[in-house]
Amino acid sequence: EVQLVESGGGLVQPGGSLRLSCAASGFTFSTYDMHWVRQPTGKGLEWVSAIGTAGDTYYAASVKGRFTISREDAKNSFFLQMNSLTAGDTAVYYCARGSWYEYWGQGTLVTVSS
Amino acid sequence: QSALTQPASVSGSPGQSITISCTGTSSDVGGYKYVSWYQQYPGKAPKLMIYEVNNRPSGVSNRFSGSKSGNTASLTISGLQAEDEADYYCISHTSSSTRVFGGGTKVTVL
Repeated sequence: EVQLVESGGGLVQPGGSLRLSCAASGFTFSTYDMHWVRQPTGKGLEWVSAIGTAGDTYYAASVKGRFTISREDAKNSFFLQMNSLTAGDTAVYYCARGSWYEYWGQGTLVTVSS
Repeated sequence: QSALTQPASVSGSPGQSITISCTGTSSDVGGYKYVSWYQQYPGKAPKLMIYEVNNRPSGVSNRFSGSKSGNTASLTISGLQAEDEADYYCISHTSSSTRVFGGGTKVTVL
Protein backbone atom coordinates (compact mmCIF):
# COMPACT_ATOMS: atom_id res chain seq x y z
CA GLU A 1 0.00 0.00 0.00
CA VAL A 2 1.33 3.39 -0.99
CA GLN A 3 1.72 5.76 1.93
CA LEU A 4 3.04 9.30 2.27
CA VAL A 5 3.44 10.71 5.76
CA GLU A 6 4.38 14.33 6.36
CA SER A 7 5.98 15.59 9.55
CA GLY A 8 7.73 18.66 10.86
CA GLY A 9 4.91 21.19 10.88
CA GLY A 10 4.24 23.46 13.80
CA LEU A 11 4.21 27.02 15.07
CA VAL A 12 7.12 29.25 14.09
CA GLN A 13 7.75 32.97 14.42
CA PRO A 14 8.01 35.23 11.38
CA GLY A 15 11.51 35.05 9.99
CA GLY A 16 12.02 31.59 11.40
CA SER A 17 12.73 28.27 9.74
CA LEU A 18 11.12 24.86 9.60
CA ARG A 19 11.97 21.60 7.88
CA LEU A 20 9.20 19.39 6.60
CA SER A 21 9.69 15.72 5.87
CA CYS A 22 7.69 13.27 3.79
CA ALA A 23 8.26 9.58 4.38
CA ALA A 24 7.19 7.32 1.54
CA SER A 25 6.44 3.60 1.51
CA GLY A 26 4.81 1.00 -0.70
CA PHE A 27 6.51 1.96 -3.96
CA THR A 28 9.95 2.44 -5.50
CA PHE A 29 10.54 5.96 -4.25
CA SER A 30 13.62 6.67 -6.36
CA THR A 31 11.67 6.35 -9.61
CA TYR A 32 9.18 9.13 -8.90
CA ASP A 33 9.41 12.88 -8.88
CA MET A 34 7.86 14.30 -5.73
CA HIS A 35 6.00 17.51 -4.99
CA TRP A 36 4.95 19.80 -2.18
CA VAL A 37 1.55 21.50 -2.34
CA ARG A 38 0.12 23.83 0.29
CA GLN A 39 -3.32 25.06 1.22
CA PRO A 40 -4.04 28.00 3.52
CA THR A 41 -7.06 27.40 5.73
CA GLY A 42 -10.24 27.95 3.76
CA LYS A 43 -8.36 28.69 0.54
CA GLY A 44 -7.24 26.90 -2.59
CA LEU A 45 -4.32 24.65 -3.40
CA GLU A 46 -0.96 26.17 -4.29
CA TRP A 47 1.90 24.28 -5.90
CA VAL A 48 5.11 24.90 -3.94
CA SER A 49 8.00 22.81 -5.18
CA ALA A 50 9.07 19.64 -6.94
CA ILE A 51 12.14 17.44 -7.14
CA GLY A 52 12.87 15.08 -9.99
CA THR A 53 14.42 11.64 -9.88
CA ALA A 54 17.77 13.14 -10.84
CA GLY A 55 17.57 15.72 -8.07
CA ASP A 56 16.48 18.55 -10.35
CA THR A 57 14.45 21.10 -8.39
CA TYR A 58 11.64 23.51 -9.18
CA TYR A 59 9.99 26.23 -7.10
CA ALA A 60 6.99 28.52 -7.16
CA ALA A 61 7.98 32.17 -7.47
CA SER A 62 6.48 32.85 -4.03
CA VAL A 63 9.01 30.58 -2.29
CA LYS A 64 12.05 30.66 -4.57
CA GLY A 65 15.15 31.68 -2.66
CA ARG A 66 13.56 30.86 0.70
CA PHE A 67 12.61 27.19 0.38
CA THR A 68 14.85 24.27 -0.57
CA ILE A 69 13.59 20.87 -1.59
CA SER A 70 15.77 17.77 -1.30
CA ARG A 71 15.44 14.01 -1.30
CA GLU A 72 17.17 11.04 0.25
CA ASP A 73 16.28 7.98 -1.81
CA ALA A 74 18.06 5.60 0.59
CA LYS A 75 15.58 6.66 3.27
CA ASN A 76 12.56 6.92 0.95
CA SER A 77 12.10 10.48 2.05
CA PHE A 78 12.11 14.01 0.76
CA PHE A 79 12.18 17.32 2.51
CA LEU A 80 11.29 20.98 2.36
CA GLN A 81 13.57 23.39 4.19
CA MET A 82 11.65 26.61 4.73
CA ASN A 83 13.51 29.77 5.73
CA SER A 84 12.51 33.40 6.22
CA LEU A 85 8.94 32.34 6.88
CA THR A 86 6.12 34.87 6.76
CA ALA A 87 2.45 34.80 7.71
CA GLY A 88 1.70 34.13 4.06
CA ASP A 89 3.37 30.72 4.37
CA THR A 90 0.79 29.58 6.93
CA ALA A 91 -0.94 26.55 5.42
CA VAL A 92 -1.38 22.81 5.45
CA TYR A 93 1.51 21.37 3.48
CA TYR A 94 0.91 18.17 1.50
CA CYS A 95 3.43 15.94 -0.19
CA ALA A 96 2.32 14.24 -3.38
CA ARG A 97 3.72 11.55 -5.65
CA GLY A 98 4.59 11.68 -9.30
CA SER A 99 3.46 13.78 -12.21
CA TRP A 100 -0.22 13.25 -11.48
CA TYR A 101 -0.31 13.37 -7.67
CA GLU A 102 -2.12 10.05 -7.58
CA TYR A 103 -1.17 9.77 -3.92
CA TRP A 104 -1.12 12.46 -1.25
CA GLY A 105 -0.08 12.63 2.37
CA GLN A 106 -2.49 13.68 5.10
CA GLY A 107 -0.87 17.11 5.38
CA THR A 108 1.05 18.91 8.10
CA LEU A 109 0.06 22.32 9.42
CA VAL A 110 2.58 25.15 9.40
CA THR A 111 1.60 28.26 11.33
CA VAL A 112 3.75 31.37 11.12
CA SER A 113 2.81 33.75 13.89
CA SER A 114 4.34 35.77 16.70
CA GLN B 1 2.67 32.51 -12.76
CA SER B 2 -0.98 33.46 -12.27
CA ALA B 3 -3.46 30.89 -11.07
CA LEU B 4 -5.63 29.22 -13.67
CA THR B 5 -9.16 30.61 -13.80
CA GLN B 6 -12.01 28.44 -12.55
CA PRO B 7 -15.57 29.50 -11.70
CA ALA B 8 -15.95 29.91 -7.95
CA SER B 9 -19.05 27.76 -7.87
CA VAL B 10 -21.15 25.49 -10.05
CA SER B 11 -24.40 23.83 -9.07
CA GLY B 12 -26.76 21.29 -10.48
CA SER B 13 -29.61 18.98 -9.59
CA PRO B 14 -29.15 15.25 -9.10
CA GLY B 15 -28.89 13.48 -12.42
CA GLN B 16 -27.86 16.56 -14.34
CA SER B 17 -24.50 17.21 -15.97
CA ILE B 18 -22.23 20.07 -15.03
CA THR B 19 -18.99 21.33 -16.52
CA ILE B 20 -16.18 23.14 -14.73
CA SER B 21 -13.81 25.19 -16.85
CA CYS B 22 -10.15 25.86 -16.24
CA THR B 23 -8.67 28.65 -18.32
CA GLY B 24 -5.00 29.40 -18.66
CA THR B 25 -2.65 30.48 -21.40
CA SER B 26 -0.58 28.96 -24.17
CA SER B 27 2.25 28.73 -21.62
CA ASP B 28 0.35 26.28 -19.48
CA VAL B 29 -3.03 24.69 -20.30
CA GLY B 30 -2.85 25.42 -24.01
CA GLY B 31 0.70 24.22 -24.42
CA TYR B 32 0.68 20.86 -22.72
CA LYS B 33 -1.33 17.73 -22.24
CA TYR B 34 -0.38 17.82 -18.55
CA VAL B 35 -3.70 18.92 -17.08
CA SER B 36 -5.25 17.05 -14.20
CA TRP B 37 -8.25 17.47 -11.90
CA TYR B 38 -8.74 16.83 -8.19
CA GLN B 39 -11.72 16.44 -5.90
CA GLN B 40 -11.39 17.61 -2.32
CA TYR B 41 -13.75 17.20 0.62
CA PRO B 42 -13.38 19.53 3.63
CA GLY B 43 -10.52 18.55 5.85
CA LYS B 44 -9.31 15.84 3.46
CA ALA B 45 -6.45 15.52 1.02
CA PRO B 46 -7.31 16.00 -2.66
CA LYS B 47 -8.08 12.97 -4.81
CA LEU B 48 -6.98 12.58 -8.42
CA MET B 49 -9.99 12.37 -10.75
CA ILE B 50 -8.55 13.03 -14.22
CA TYR B 51 -4.97 13.12 -15.50
CA GLU B 52 -3.39 14.04 -18.80
CA VAL B 53 -6.51 15.99 -19.82
CA ASN B 54 -8.90 13.09 -20.26
CA ASN B 55 -7.64 9.96 -18.51
CA ARG B 56 -9.38 8.46 -15.50
CA PRO B 57 -7.44 6.59 -12.83
CA SER B 58 -8.78 3.18 -11.97
CA GLY B 59 -11.53 3.40 -9.41
CA VAL B 60 -12.82 6.79 -10.50
CA SER B 61 -16.38 6.78 -11.76
CA ASN B 62 -16.86 7.08 -15.53
CA ARG B 63 -19.29 9.91 -14.74
CA PHE B 64 -16.18 12.08 -14.62
CA SER B 65 -14.60 13.11 -17.89
CA GLY B 66 -12.08 15.69 -19.05
CA SER B 67 -11.36 17.59 -22.21
CA LYS B 68 -9.39 20.54 -23.52
CA SER B 69 -9.82 23.12 -26.23
CA GLY B 70 -7.18 25.75 -26.75
CA ASN B 71 -6.27 27.33 -23.43
CA THR B 72 -9.28 25.94 -21.57
CA ALA B 73 -9.61 22.54 -19.98
CA SER B 74 -12.92 21.22 -18.70
CA LEU B 75 -14.17 18.66 -16.21
CA THR B 76 -17.64 17.28 -16.79
CA ILE B 77 -19.60 15.41 -14.15
CA SER B 78 -22.57 13.58 -15.60
CA GLY B 79 -25.41 12.04 -13.61
CA LEU B 80 -24.66 14.37 -10.70
CA GLN B 81 -24.91 12.71 -7.31
CA ALA B 82 -24.97 14.08 -3.76
CA GLU B 83 -21.52 12.62 -3.12
CA ASP B 84 -20.09 14.80 -5.89
CA GLU B 85 -20.56 17.88 -3.73
CA ALA B 86 -16.97 18.97 -3.09
CA ASP B 87 -14.27 21.37 -4.23
CA TYR B 88 -12.58 20.69 -7.56
CA TYR B 89 -9.18 21.93 -8.70
CA CYS B 90 -7.34 21.81 -12.00
CA ILE B 91 -3.57 21.96 -12.37
CA SER B 92 -1.30 22.36 -15.35
CA HIS B 93 2.35 22.02 -16.17
CA THR B 94 3.90 25.31 -17.27
CA SER B 95 6.56 26.41 -19.73
CA SER B 96 8.94 27.08 -16.82
CA SER B 97 8.62 23.48 -15.66
CA THR B 98 6.58 24.50 -12.66
CA ARG B 99 2.94 23.75 -11.96
CA VAL B 100 -0.03 26.05 -11.46
CA PHE B 101 -3.39 25.28 -9.86
CA GLY B 102 -6.75 26.77 -10.60
CA GLY B 103 -8.48 28.73 -7.86
CA GLY B 104 -10.93 25.92 -7.20
CA THR B 105 -14.63 25.40 -7.85
CA LYS B 106 -17.21 24.52 -5.25
CA VAL B 107 -19.77 22.10 -6.65
CA THR B 108 -23.17 22.15 -5.00
CA VAL B 109 -25.78 19.49 -5.60
CA LEU B 110 -29.18 21.15 -5.26
